[in-house]
Amino acid sequence: AQKITQTQPGMFVQEKEAVTLDCTYDTSDPSYGLFWYKQPSSGEMIFLIYQGSYDQQNATEGRYSLNFQKARKSANLVISASQLGDSAMYFCAMRRRSSNTGKLIFGQGTTLQVKP
Amino acid sequence: DTEVTQTPKHLVMGMTNKKSLKCEQHMGHRAMYWYKQKAKKPPELMFVYSYEKLSINESVPSRFSPECPNSSLLNLHLHALQPEDSALYLCASSHLASKTSYEQYFGPGTRLTVT
Repeated sequence: AQKITQTQPGMFVQEKEAVTLDCTYDTSDPSYGLFWYKQPSSGEMIFLIYQGSYDQQNATEGRYSLNFQKARKSANLVISASQLGDSAMYFCAMRRRSSNTGKLIFGQGTTLQVKP
Repeated sequence: DTEVTQTPKHLVMGMTNKKSLKCEQHMGHRAMYWYKQKAKKPPELMFVYSYEKLSINESVPSRFSPECPNSSLLNLHLHALQPEDSALYLCASSHLASKTSYEQYFGPGTRLTVT
């Protein structure tokens, strides 16, 4: 079975501090991609970062980095220097190479609140 | 341009009404998706179109009818909806659906309320 687990329903972080959002996944497919999306209260899902299962290095995009530990099947999102605008819901998602349909499997999400 | 547009932003409809949601992208993507999202929950996939052909229907009730008139447009026709169908409806697009590296770009969504 393919599954994404986000165990933190809600998180708080102080402005300018770093925060890690956890994501573990389960798949028997050797080829897959992992994604993180941000969803502010306005509703739009914003793509943040991508990690491929064969990528040797952890992905980084500006203040976002993905701590990919393949053996542990974890793909945690690290946000450095948090800003008030980072307050949102964050979803981890997976897409299998064997799925030709592009279907994304989402975790339940983590709500992040950044305190001033 | 990485924009997916959706209209309308908000829609209130009665259970006997017929309405349509529209989605448009000009990124040359050949895969388009409809999702339904309830509050505080992840999006649930409804339909996938690849090269303007329906490739996935996730057992969605027939009161939802998708249509892909061309590679840039995706519609969702609504008829005889139930109050439990009230949700945020998100459209997304991506390059070839078979590639794992192609992220999906989402529109801002349509907030639907069925009365």
